[in-house]
Amino acid sequence: ETGVTQSPTHLIKTRGQQVTLRCSSQSGHNTVSWYQQALGQGPQFIFQYYREEENGRGNFPPRFSGLQFPNYSSELNVNALELDDSALYLCASSLFSIRSETEAFFGQGTRLTVV
Amino acid sequence: GQQVMQIPQYQHVQEGEDFTTYCNSSTTLSNIQWYKQRPGGHPVFLIQLVKSGEVKKQKRLTFQFGEAKKNSSLHITATQTTDVGTYFCARNNNDMRFGAGTRLTVKP
Repeated sequence: ETGVTQSPTHLIKTRGQQVTLRCSSQSGHNTVSWYQQALGQGPQFIFQYYREEENGRGNFPPRFSGLQFPNYSSELNVNALELDDSALYLCASSLFSIRSETEAFFGQGTRLTVV
Repeated sequence: GQQVMQIPQYQHVQEGEDFTTYCNSSTTLSNIQWYKQRPGGHPVFLIQLVKSGEVKKQKRLTFQFGEAKKNSSLHITATQTTDVGTYFCARNNNDMRFGAGTRLTVKP
């Protein structure tokens, strides 16, 4: 077990709706990253949060937004859901390092289905 | 952004055979990480390589980082059914970018 927990584990939403996914980081970690993993694909970087600020963003539209809280937990919000948003959403926590030599610990993911 | 390419996409082997997956980048990497994702699971960290020409071993797994730090490989000796899963390489500049992965299946 990594100590990173995500909720909910599964979710079904209707196109156009909004969704909030949650992640609790591993103890001692100050950085949270979110990934979208479509079936049969590698995880795609959405964004990273460090010290409650966005610290890097992948190629995702603004309707994907996030928050990091003082206890380092995090939320991923997606507005105006589209069918293509159906995927496994992974949260990963790590300890920020200037040298970037840190491993990421992943949660079990939230399986989002948009219908 | 800086991408890493992985080959092959799929590999099916007989139990006991060896397996290798390759990761390539067009630019020099500061590091490369390898993850394994079991079917229905989440990526699990295996190892990180940082130094040019670095070789690390974990039991039957051997990881290499190229001299130019533009490529890496993961080799599994004498595969077992427990090795089944998708192996991803990823470069980490505080925004981790994954390769597409190599899906390994092992026939008993």
